[in-house]
Amino acid sequence: RKEVEQDPGPFNVPEGATVAFNCTYSNSASQSFFWYRQDCRKEPKLLMSVYSSGNEDGRFTAQLNRASQYISLLIRDSKLSDSATYLCVVNTGGTASKLTFGTGTRLQVTL
Amino acid sequence: EAGVTQFPSHSVIEKGQTVTLRCDPISGHDNLYWYRRVMGKEIKFLLHFVKESKQDESGMPNNRFLAERTGGTYSTLKVQPAELEDSGVYFCASGHAGTYEQYFGPGTRLTVT
Repeated sequence: RKEVEQDPGPFNVPEGATVAFNCTYSNSASQSFFWYRQDCRKEPKLLMSVYSSGNEDGRFTAQLNRASQYISLLIRDSKLSDSATYLCVVNTGGTASKLTFGTGTRLQVTL
Repeated sequence: EAGVTQFPSHSVIEKGQTVTLRCDPISGHDNLYWYRRVMGKEIKFLLHFVKESKQDESGMPNNRFLAERTGGTYSTLKVQPAELEDSGVYFCASGHAGTYEQYFGPGTRLTVT
């Protein structure tokens, strides 16, 4: 079983739609959680850190359920520019330790 | 603030040759990490420096890979001799001491033929 599992997609949604991505992690000792965005042939860019029960940043909301070892990302009012791969990332050590990546969920927002 | 930079952006070498990748972290970041993505797989951790010391090298695949960070500034990752399975994108990331967030460079795409 992979340490971080995501639905690879692709998710094809029209502009303006709401879309949700899910992620599960296997290590109950995981301490911090992130969503990164990766455009084609580019580096991962930090989208959101998820430290407690969840947080919101504009159209993006991340939720964490430690009991179920589950993280989600909700994107409201999707824009064409949101098209990318969204990586669920987990840190299992202390601060500044290595990150474990999911394979990513591809999102395509269309007109 | 300048981001993480990596050089070269692309490298094509033959099996058995040597390649050295360079990473310049964000200024002031003590933590420097190397990751790799091989085709079709997820990004995987290689190693972690705190300043000039190797904190965790559990992800290094074998002794053909050598990473250094002399002086605690930029880092190099040398592959010698390169094998076909070393092809992939090598990312460097950096972060402040005592924080969880890591910021990635644009990567070096390595192709071994």
